[in-house]
Amino acid sequence: NAGVTQTPKFQVLKTGQSMTLQCAQDMNHNSMYWYRQDPGMGLRLIYYSASEGTTDKGEVPNGYNVSRLNKREFSLRLESAAPSQTSVYFCASISGRLVRAQETQYFGPGTRLLVL
Amino acid sequence: SQQGEEDPQALSIQEGENATMNCSYKTSINNLQWYRQNSGRGLVHLILIRSNEREKHSGRLRVTLDTSKKSSSLLITASRAADTASYFCALQETSGSRLTFGEGTQLTVNP
Repeated sequence: NAGVTQTPKFQVLKTGQSMTLQCAQDMNHNSMYWYRQDPGMGLRLIYYSASEGTTDKGEVPNGYNVSRLNKREFSLRLESAAPSQTSVYFCASISGRLVRAQETQYFGPGTRLLVL
Repeated sequence: SQQGEEDPQALSIQEGENATMNCSYKTSINNLQWYRQNSGRGLVHLILIRSNEREKHSGRLRVTLDTSKKSSSLLITASRAADTASYFCALQETSGSRLTFGEGTQLTVNP
C-alpha cells in the first residue's frame, strides 16, 4: 500500500513550456486534491475532484487544468508555465464516502517545480 | 475565506519545554485538524478534533477547541529536537470534505 504517489519529484521548465504532474492513490479514495505551497505559506487549493468524473476549481485555478483519469489517478497540467507557478505541488486524497465525514487527508511527497 | 490564522508564526524553544500553537478562524466548522510538515516533505496528519469536542489527546499532543471563541490550540509537551517542523491547522468546511489550511507555525526545538 503506497498511499499517495506523485511524479516527478522535481522539474525545471522554461517559461511557456507545458507539463503534467501525475498523482495516484491506492486507497480506493473517492476525493482527490491538488495544492500548491509557496515559501512560508500554507497550502492553497488549485483544483479538486470530489468523485470520479467530477472536477471543481479551488482557490487558485488559473493557469492549470486537471483530469480525473479514473478513481486512482488525478493529474494536473500546466499548459504554458510561468515563473509565478514556481512552487511545491502536493496531491492529496480522502475517502469522502460521506459528505460530512470526519476524515483526514493523505498527502503525497510533493513535486518541486521551478519555472525559469 | 475560512482560512485559519496561526499564532505565532515562529516559535523557538529548548528541548524538554512545552510548545503551544494557536489557530483562529472566522466561520463555523465541521472539524479542525492539525498537520506537521518536516522540511522538504509532505504533510502528515497529527490529530482531528470535531466541532462538538473540547479537548483531545494523542501521545504528547493535546488539542483544544473553543467554538465560542473560534480558536484551537495545539500543545506539544516535553518537546524533542525531532519535533522541529512546521505545524498547520486545517479547517474542514461544513459543506463537504475540503480543507482550508492556515499559513503554519515554524517550530524549532533546540537540543
